[in-house]
Amino acid sequence: EVQLVESGGGLVKPGGSLRLSCEASGFTFSDYGMNWVRQAPGKGLEWVSSYSGTSNYIFYADSVKGRFTISRDNAKNSLYLQMNSLRVEDTAVYYCARGVFDTWGQGTLVNVSS
Amino acid sequence: QAGLTQPPSVSKGLRQTATLTCTGNSNNVGNQGAAWLQQYQGHPPRLLSSRNNNRPSGISERFSASRSGDTASLTITGLQPEDEADYYCSAWDSSLSTYVFGTGTKVTVL
Repeated sequence: EVQLVESGGGLVKPGGSLRLSCEASGFTFSDYGMNWVRQAPGKGLEWVSSYSGTSNYIFYADSVKGRFTISRDNAKNSLYLQMNSLRVEDTAVYYCARGVFDTWGQGTLVNVSS
Repeated sequence: QAGLTQPPSVSKGLRQTATLTCTGNSNNVGNQGAAWLQQYQGHPPRLLSSRNNNRPSGISERFSASRSGDTASLTITGLQPEDEADYYCSAWDSSLSTYVFGTGTKVTVL
């Protein structure tokens, strides 16, 4: 079964940092581009970042560029999102999604609040 | 990054047909096509249709996608109570080198 499991969310103060993880199983992880997508409470979906499967292309939304860093470890079947200089407006459920969004994890909640 | 435009809500009767639209431009929908996602409250999204209008395994044939120019459409035939959900479109923008999502459409089955 194809599965994505996010972890690492929590409560953090503005200006703080968090590292999210997404563990993949049930497919050849290195064959797929991977994405982070977030959803603020009561709001729509917002694409955050993507990492290509084998060619090391990385893309970021303007809203997180320079603050967030996406990475992956194909040996560990894992995707990561290092989030620095967090802002209140980064509060959201963060989802890991495979390829062109054909599989999603359950999400992990990041709450940035003083 | 500008998003794709979707109507905020669509309401139709049971067993009727609903058509949802997603408008972008020549750099995203018009160039790359759009994927469609369904999301129930409190749950992650799930893919209904890929950007080449193919349904993943397990998705009902009542959902069909198409595109005309810079506008993508999702048609839901024979509306059922379980179709009440939020629907999002998404496309890759080749000019911005980003994905863009639609603003979302809430479907209500009367």
